[in-house]
Amino acid sequence: ETGVTQTPRHLVMGMTNKKSLKCEQHLGHNAMYWYKQSAKKPLELMFVYNFKEQTENNSVPSRFSPECPNSSHLFLHLHTLQPEDSALYLCASSQEGGGQGNDEQYFGPGTRLTVT
Amino acid sequence: GQNIDQPTEMTATEGAIVQINCTYQTSGFNGLFWYQQHAGEAPTFLSYNVLDGLEEKGRFSSFLSRSKGYSYLLLKELQMKDSASYLCACMDSNYQLIWGAGTKLIIKP
Repeated sequence: ETGVTQTPRHLVMGMTNKKSLKCEQHLGHNAMYWYKQSAKKPLELMFVYNFKEQTENNSVPSRFSPECPNSSHLFLHLHTLQPEDSALYLCASSQEGGGQGNDEQYFGPGTRLTVT
Repeated sequence: GQNIDQPTEMTATEGAIVQINCTYQTSGFNGLFWYQQHAGEAPTFLSYNVLDGLEEKGRFSSFLSRSKGYSYLLLKELQMKDSASYLCACMDSNYQLIWGAGTKLIIKP
C-alpha cells in the first residue's frame, strides 16, 4: 500500500449506531488530519494530530471522537450521529503539521458517510 | 473573519486556456495552495506560492499577489481529464489551512 488509505469507502449508519473510520498513511509523515467535506462547502478541518498529540479540535461535537495510536494510524469514532453529519470524511497527512509553510497535505480517498 | 472566495463553476473548451481566480482574507499569511479534486476522489496537490509572482509547472501555472490578496491558477491546452474541482487554500499565521469551496471546471469538446 502506498500513500494514504481509508476504510471503509462507504458507510451507512443509523443515528443510534457506533462505527469507526480508519486512516493509515505509509509516507512517514508526522501529522495527520480529519476533514469533513460537504457539497459546495469548503473543507472543514476537524482534528489535527502532530506526533500522536492532538493539536487542533475545531469545535467538533463530542459525537465525533478521534484516536491516534501512532503516527501512521488515525481513527474517527462515531456515535449517535445526526443526518446533517452525512458527508465525505477525508483523512490527510503531512510531513510537519505546523510551523512550516510548504507543508503539502496528502489526502486519502475518503469515506462517504450517510446517516439515516 | 477569514475567507476564501473562488467562482463556483467555470466552463471551458478543450485545447483552450482557463484562469481560475481566488481571493483571500486571512489573519496572517504563510502561503497559498491549489489542489485538484476529481469527482469521488481525493484532492491532490498542484502548487504552492508564498512569494509574489508566477510559478509554472507544465500546463499549469499559479500566480500570487500578496498585496492584493489574490491568486489564480492558469490551465493551458485544456484536456478532458482536467474536468475537476480546483480548491484554493490559504495558510494563516497559525499554519492552519483555510479552504475555499472549490471551483468546478467543466471542459467541453
